[in-house]
Amino acid sequence: AQSVAQPEDQVNVAEGNPLTVKCTYSVSGNPYLFWYVQYPNRGLQFLLKYITGDNLVKGSYGFEAEFNKSQTSFHLKKPSALVSDSALYFCAVRDRSGYALNFGKGTSLLVTP
Amino acid sequence: NAGVTQTPKFQVLKTGQSMTLQCAQDMNHNSMYWYRQDPGMGLRLIYYSASEGTTDKGEVPNGYNVSRLNKREFSLRLESAAPSQTSVYFCASRISGSSADTQYFGPGTRLTVL
Repeated sequence: AQSVAQPEDQVNVAEGNPLTVKCTYSVSGNPYLFWYVQYPNRGLQFLLKYITGDNLVKGSYGFEAEFNKSQTSFHLKKPSALVSDSALYFCAVRDRSGYALNFGKGTSLLVTP
Repeated sequence: NAGVTQTPKFQVLKTGQSMTLQCAQDMNHNSMYWYRQDPGMGLRLIYYSASEGTTDKGEVPNGYNVSRLNKREFSLRLESAAPSQTSVYFCASRISGSSADTQYFGPGTRLTVL
């Protein structure tokens, strides 16, 4: 089955420092990978996706993600964290049917002033 | 353009009661989805509708039924609610032109079953 894993339940970063939220994947065939963010008491918002092509994908709010085939990873990054980036981040992969997404368990990001 | 809307936002039920969660999208998307979110478990797919007139089970369909009323609306019904169905429910939609299409989510319904 197509799956993703987020090894960290929580990531703490000081404002202004770079942040990384980790995601590894396990798929057969080419992976279609996504990152979503969830702010408190809100729905999920799309950040970025990797389909094919350039391994560095740029998304919303200054986020980017690096696709690494040899390490089967798709880590989310931002050069300089903001307190407002504090939220729950989900990595997801398109399932074999091609219709639904399989989500990781989520990583809570806390950016402190 | 409201995107994906869900009603109600909050609901409290007693064990054994029934209710229907409503979802509508105004983006002319073909595919629609129902997920549930539980702490530490991410989002799990309950049912989806790849196109109008079709529905399929996801990872956790037991205790739920769905209806794709038309292209815009996809409802989720709990016939006899159980405490294990306490969760936050999200509806999503996707244009479904290819596997690369993005899913867009509604704001969620927070359901408590006592």
